[in-house]
Amino acid sequence: DVQMTQSPSSLSASVGDRVTITCRASQDISYHLAWFQQKPGKAPKSLIYSASSLQSGVPPKFSGSGSGTDFTLTINSLQPEDFATYYCQQYTSYPLTFGGGTKVEIK
Amino acid sequence: EVQVVESGGGLVQPGGSLRLSCAASGFTFSSYWMHWVRQAPGKGLVWVSRIDNDGTSTSYADSVRGRFTISRDNAKNTLYLQMNSLRVEDTAVYYCVRDGSVARLDYWGQGNLVTVSS
Repeated sequence: DVQMTQSPSSLSASVGDRVTITCRASQDISYHLAWFQQKPGKAPKSLIYSASSLQSGVPPKFSGSGSGTDFTLTINSLQPEDFATYYCQQYTSYPLTFGGGTKVEIK
Repeated sequence: EVQVVESGGGLVQPGGSLRLSCAASGFTFSSYWMHWVRQAPGKGLVWVSRIDNDGTSTSYADSVRGRFTISRDNAKNTLYLQMNSLRVEDTAVYYCVRDGSVARLDYWGQGNLVTVSS
């Protein structure tokens, strides 16, 4: 199975900050990586697929980069509605696997 | 508007069975693969199972293989997850998820809680 490791597991940031979350795969997954946002009590929401493609309707303040084993999610100008938990997920092989999540909290 | 709505969850005793349903609308259900993903209370996301668009091919996580069965009825636009021999560790919110293409999980249902407890 492909193991996905996210860092940090949590972070505190202020409104207006730029935030970067990293995700590392245990083997080469090419660009087959997605990012999701989940708010408490809600279903995950797709943000990015193919490592850097924005899901329809997602604001361009979210961006993704990387390929192979190392990936990043960047959120520009953090707003109150962006405080949530973010997950990466690989889809190069089954079983599909997710990172452990990064909780973005208000400083 | 794409919608997937789960139902059928609840409280069940260890060793019991439960069937989850997922009603799809707003897209051509028969053209899309579908998945189940679960999340134990306070924990992360775990993929459970997937089925291809016509129901002929399925795959499962090791933790549920042999106990859970995924199926679909394209005439009813409905996805199912039959869960047998349930264990306490199967307690989770179960999400029905559309596969946009090549295992890209694009639309998620609101989730349905399954609690396995005596």
